[in-house]
Amino acid sequence: EPEVTQTPSHQVTQMGQEVILRCVPISNHLYFYWYRQILGQKVEFLVSFYNNEISEKSEIFDDQFSVERPDGSNFTLKIRSTKLEDSAMYFCASGRQPQHFGDGTRLSIL
Amino acid sequence: DAKTTQPPSMDCAEGRAANLPCNHSTISGNEYVYWYRQIHSQGPQYIIHGLKNNETNEMASLIITEDRKSSTLILPHATLRDTAVYYCIVRPYSGNTPLVFGKGTRLSVIA
Repeated sequence: EPEVTQTPSHQVTQMGQEVILRCVPISNHLYFYWYRQILGQKVEFLVSFYNNEISEKSEIFDDQFSVERPDGSNFTLKIRSTKLEDSAMYFCASGRQPQHFGDGTRLSIL
Repeated sequence: DAKTTQPPSMDCAEGRAANLPCNHSTISGNEYVYWYRQIHSQGPQYIIHGLKNNETNEMASLIITEDRKSSTLILPHATLRDTAVYYCIVRPYSGNTPLVFGKGTRLSVIA
């Protein structure tokens, strides 16, 4: 069964550094999303992406965040200058009805 | 905020049916009911969705009341691997509206 894959599974970064989280969505999907989950809290929507542009973004997705689909297979989330509060699980999802999720990247900011 | 209400936790004996309720009294006519689950810290896993008719797939059954204000997810023969947090989400079928997760129900399947 096709699946969404995310790399790396765990990323440790110093505060203030840039980090790029990578996702390979399911191959024939056109809609892509990033969500995050701070430890012990709810899964929160960050951004949706369709037709090479952002469709919708939440208040969390500020100027420090950006997304890109650099080629036909990858979908990336960049955090420009990481803060301690960016520590969370970041989930990529693709598809529309329904959305399918990857197993996430655990981002730890030191 | 999530438009659904679920009990915070439930227990189920292994091999028995697990019935997880969800209230969505403000659901709109164009909104579907989706169920996902999250095992440990893995990504949410899609289970099933429906509009007004009952639905069944290889994982579960979804029963939606006639007034669509509530639904029940049924896992017919729960196993230990079904221990997870289960999320009930209402969402329009059209477009790429994001999923809004609540706190879900933590289901513990007990041997």
